[in-house]
Amino acid sequence: GQSLEQPSEVTAVEGAIVQINCTYQTSGFYGLSWYQQHDGGAPTFLSYNALDGLEETGRFSSFLSRSDSYGYLLLQELQMKDSASYFCAVKQGGKLIFGQGTELSVKP
Amino acid sequence: NAGVTQTPKFQVLKTGQSMTLQCAQDMNHEYMSWYRQDPGMGLRLIHYSVGAGITDQGEVPNGYNVSRSTTEDFPLRLLSAAPSQTSVYFCASSSRTGGTEAFFGQGTRLTVV
Repeated sequence: GQSLEQPSEVTAVEGAIVQINCTYQTSGFYGLSWYQQHDGGAPTFLSYNALDGLEETGRFSSFLSRSDSYGYLLLQELQMKDSASYFCAVKQGGKLIFGQGTELSVKP
Repeated sequence: NAGVTQTPKFQVLKTGQSMTLQCAQDMNHEYMSWYRQDPGMGLRLIHYSVGAGITDQGEVPNGYNVSRSTTEDFPLRLLSAAPSQTSVYFCASSSRTGGTEAFFGQGTRLTVV
């Protein structure tokens, strides 16, 4: 089977840096993705790591350590609009398995 | 650019009724999936397809059927609706090659009474 663990909620202040962790247990692994979802809208893709290391896309970065079955999403210079749910997901062939999501609240 | 289109956006069913949620994509993606999302929970995979004529079960397939007769369409059928199927349903598609980005439809909010 497969499982992904991430914190249920995180709170941070505007302008700060926040890290959302994800640990996974899967049989077969092709990479770790991150998605953002605002208020029940459609999830949108943020980043993908197939290999160990850090991927940077603007204010967002994502890290993967395959030996530790661990990754994180780093959000810098937080803005109010970053308040949303963030999901890690493991790609296994043609399917994508999601974690339960982390609700990020950004306070002024 | 339409992307992934789901219909209907909202639906109320009575227990025992059947219905089909429609999903269509115009990106020529090989992979398509259906998820359900319940309050405070993540996206749980119902069924998925890696190409026309090929479907497989996900984590929560009971009570749902799918078929993939064309690359573009991946309908989800509820055979006999139950209140436990009240949820938000998302369809997603992605390419077999060129990365892992999945594109989601806007969702169908289903209530079974």
